[in-house]
Amino acid sequence: GPKVLQIPSHQIIDMGQMVTLNCDPVSNHLYFYWYKQILGQQMEFLVNFYNGKVMEKSKLFKDQFSVERPDGSYFTLKIQPTALEDSAVYFCASSFRQGSNERLFFGHGTKLSVL
Amino acid sequence: GDSVTQTEGLVTLTEGLPVMLNCTYQSTYSPFLFWYVQHLNEAPKLLLKSFTDNKRPEHQGFHATLHKSSSSFHLQKSSAQLSDSALYYCAGYQGGRALIFGTGTTVSVSP
Repeated sequence: GPKVLQIPSHQIIDMGQMVTLNCDPVSNHLYFYWYKQILGQQMEFLVNFYNGKVMEKSKLFKDQFSVERPDGSYFTLKIQPTALEDSAVYFCASSFRQGSNERLFFGHGTKLSVL
Repeated sequence: GDSVTQTEGLVTLTEGLPVMLNCTYQSTYSPFLFWYVQHLNEAPKLLLKSFTDNKRPEHQGFHATLHKSSSSFHLQKSSAQLSDSALYYCAGYQGGRALIFGTGTTVSVSP
């Protein structure tokens, strides 16, 4: 079936550095999402993105976070600078339409470890 | 505010026994609810979603019925298999554009 790819699967960086998490969504999908999952906790919504713009973001989406999808390439989540509490698994998801009955396709996640 | 609640953090059972995972919701809108399953080291994927025409969704032996009277969308299976061991999330829309997940229930099925 359709797959969302996330690169890399694991990233280790020092606190204060910048990190970019990459997501290759399903090819004909138009809506993109990031979720954050701290070890042992639930997945929490960060942001969703459509047509080059952030549509909605949660309070977890701090000022240090940004998203973009330049020229239809990877959908990226950038954190600059990183903090210890940013350590988590970040899941990217995509969907073809936006709607309350719409299915999201998730990637395997990128585990971010901030030291 | 709108929310999705899963009361069990961990469910352990023996293969062949029935399983039910609780999910209740609080929403000011007509709810659309989902069950996602995440196996170890895999991506979360859709298991079931609610319908508006009172159909009972079923997949891989799992089923769930949306009960508006009790604000519930419990997940059930009559006979658990070893391969059902996974993390199960109930999720729903809050009326906005964000799919919100419950805290998740880990199911551990043993022989």
